[in-house]
Amino acid sequence: QKEVEQDPGPLSVPEGAIVSLNCTYSNSAFQYFMWYRQYSRKGPELLMYTYSSGNKEDGRFTAQVDKSSKYISLFIRDSQPSDSATYLCAMSDDAGGTSYGKLTFGQGTILTVHP
Amino acid sequence: EAGVTQFPSHSVIEKGQTVTLRCDPISGHDNLYWYRRVMGKEIKFLLHFVKESKQDESGMPNNRFLAERTGGTYSTLKVQPAELEDSGVYFCASSQQGWRGNIQYFGAGTRLSVL
Repeated sequence: QKEVEQDPGPLSVPEGAIVSLNCTYSNSAFQYFMWYRQYSRKGPELLMYTYSSGNKEDGRFTAQVDKSSKYISLFIRDSQPSDSATYLCAMSDDAGGTSYGKLTFGQGTILTVHP
Repeated sequence: EAGVTQFPSHSVIEKGQTVTLRCDPISGHDNLYWYRRVMGKEIKFLLHFVKESKQDESGMPNNRFLAERTGGTYSTLKVQPAELEDSGVYFCASSQQGWRGNIQYFGAGTRLSVL
């Protein structure tokens, strides 16, 4: 079983739709949760960053973390064609002796927002 | 400020040949990570440098892979001899001093094709 599970999609939505992306994980030591966006032939770019449980909002993007359920989400409101990309969830733990900040990624969800 | 730079952007080699990938981290970043994405799979951790020291190389697939970070600046990842299963995209990321929850900034990656 993978440590982080993410539905690879692909997901296709019309412009203006609300998009929901999700990841589940098994390692209860994960404390830092990130969403990266990756455009084709580019590197992952940090979109949202959350420590422990809770919500975080940045413009049209909202990240939610539910540690009790080991479940994280990214919501995109009023989606735009420019949001078309691969969205990767990533997480790391606080256990210095074993991980030192290395990221564990989900497989990534390919999102297409069509006009 | 320049981001993380990787080159070459694409390398095509024959099985059995040697390839060296290079990563220039963001200036002043102590931490340098290498990751790899094999087609259809998630991005996976390979190793982590703190300055010039290998902090964690638990993700290195085998002894055909050799990473160095001379002087704590740029890093190289050599694959010798390359095998078909080494094909994928190799990403480098860097982060500032310390490691707990540090934001990692990624390069665009090197796409390696072993024929």
